[in-house]
Amino acid sequence: SQTIHQWPATLVQPVGSPLSLECTVEGTSNPNLYWYRQAAGRGLQLLFYSVGIGQISSEVPQNLSASRPQDRQFILSSKKLLLSDSGFYLCAWSKGDTYEQYFGPGTRLTVT
Amino acid sequence: DAKTTQPTSMDCAEGRAANLPCNHSTISGNEYVYWYRQIHSQGPQYIIHGLKNNETNEMASLIITEDRKSSTLILPHATLRDTAVYYCIVRAQEANNLFFGTGTRLTVIP
Repeated sequence: SQTIHQWPATLVQPVGSPLSLECTVEGTSNPNLYWYRQAAGRGLQLLFYSVGIGQISSEVPQNLSASRPQDRQFILSSKKLLLSDSGFYLCAWSKGDTYEQYFGPGTRLTVT
Repeated sequence: DAKTTQPTSMDCAEGRAANLPCNHSTISGNEYVYWYRQIHSQGPQYIIHGLKNNETNEMASLIITEDRKSSTLILPHATLRDTAVYYCIVRAQEANNLFFGTGTRLTVIP
């Protein structure tokens, strides 16, 4: 069966510090991968998606970036965090030929 | 993606069926109806999806009206662990984004 991992589970970072969140998927190959952010009491906002290694599409302009160095690894980064980057970050995957998305446990980021 | 309208909250007695409605009157012909739920502080969980026929799986049943303008998610025997926010989403199958609205907060009462 497929599983998706995210770490860390929680993170508190000062403004201006860098960020690296990691997501890995097991049990499948060539998945589509997604990064979402959920602000408190709000819906999910798609940040990035990837259909293959090195292929990243950005949905919204921001100071975040994403990379996919391996087939089942998706990384969300920032060089300098802003207070507005606080939120619940969710990674998801889907099969190439079916389209329901399966979410990881999430990382709760607080920028202070 | 077409927008959806869901009640803000609902209560259901434990062991009874929970029927969660969703209106999607502007749905297009190639858009599917998806249901996800999110238990507090966890990632959303996929439940079920359908195009025009009713669907059933181990978690729930999805009833879509003939005109596809509304649907109902049915949890046949609600348990306390079903307490969550339930999201109804419509999207074309090839679309990458899932637009989560505010959903319905279902509380299962002992």
